[in-house]
Amino acid sequence: GQNIDQPTEMTATEGAIVQINCTYQTSGFNGLFWYQQHAGEAPTFLSYNVLDGLEEKGRFSSFLSRSKGYSYLLLKELQMKDSASYLCAVRGNQAGTALIFGKGTTLSVSS
Amino acid sequence: GAVVSQHPSWVICKSGTSVKIECRSLDFQATTMFWYRQFPKQSLMLMATSNEGSKATYEQGVEKDKFLINHASLTLSTLTVTSAHPEDSSFYICSARDLGLAGEAPYEQYFGPGTRLTVT
Repeated sequence: GQNIDQPTEMTATEGAIVQINCTYQTSGFNGLFWYQQHAGEAPTFLSYNVLDGLEEKGRFSSFLSRSKGYSYLLLKELQMKDSASYLCAVRGNQAGTALIFGKGTTLSVSS
Repeated sequence: GAVVSQHPSWVICKSGTSVKIECRSLDFQATTMFWYRQFPKQSLMLMATSNEGSKATYEQGVEKDKFLINHASLTLSTLTVTSAHPEDSSFYICSARDLGLAGEAPYEQYFGPGTRLTVT
C-alpha cells in the first residue's frame, strides 16, 4: 500500500529553524516533492529530491534517504509568511505519474 | 514559470445540478493532467488522471459516471460533477505536466489555483 506520514502541526518563532519530517512507504519511487500551501490556495512547488542527499534552495533545504524512506524539509530564518501547510508528496515508478500526497504539516510561525 | 488556470474559481450550485470545471495550461502543452480533491484540513487526494485523446484513469472509489473527465486538447481538461450533492462540496485542483520537460528532471507538476465547489 501507499503511506506517507508527516506531523500534523508544528509551531516555531520568527528567525528560528524548523525541520518537517516525512516518511513514506510506496509501491514505487521516482522522486519526492515538497509543496507549500496557504489556506484556500493551490500548492506551490518548493523542492524535489530523487537521489539521496541534501538539496538547498535559499532558506529551504530538503533531504532524502531512499533506503530509510525518509525526507525532511528544513526552513531557516523563519518569517511570519512561512505559516502554511507543507505537503510531502511521492511520485511512483513512472515519470508522469500522479503524486501521492501526505496529509500535510500545518506550520504556525509566531513573533 | 508555467501557468495553469482553472475556471471558475468558485461555484455554488443546487443539489442535483451538474457543474463543469475547466483546467487550462496557458503556455505549455500537457498530455497529462491530474484532478485532485481536497476536503477541509485534509491533503490532496488524486481523483483521476486525464490523458489527451483517451479515457481518463480513475482512482479506486471515484465514480467515473459521476465525475466526467474530458481532455480534448493538449491545453484543456474538464471535470464535470454530475448530479452534485452536498458531500461533493470540496476544493478541486488540477495539475498539468509539461510535455516539453519530458526527459528532464524534476518533472514538476504545475497546479491550478483550484475551484471551490459548494453544493447547497
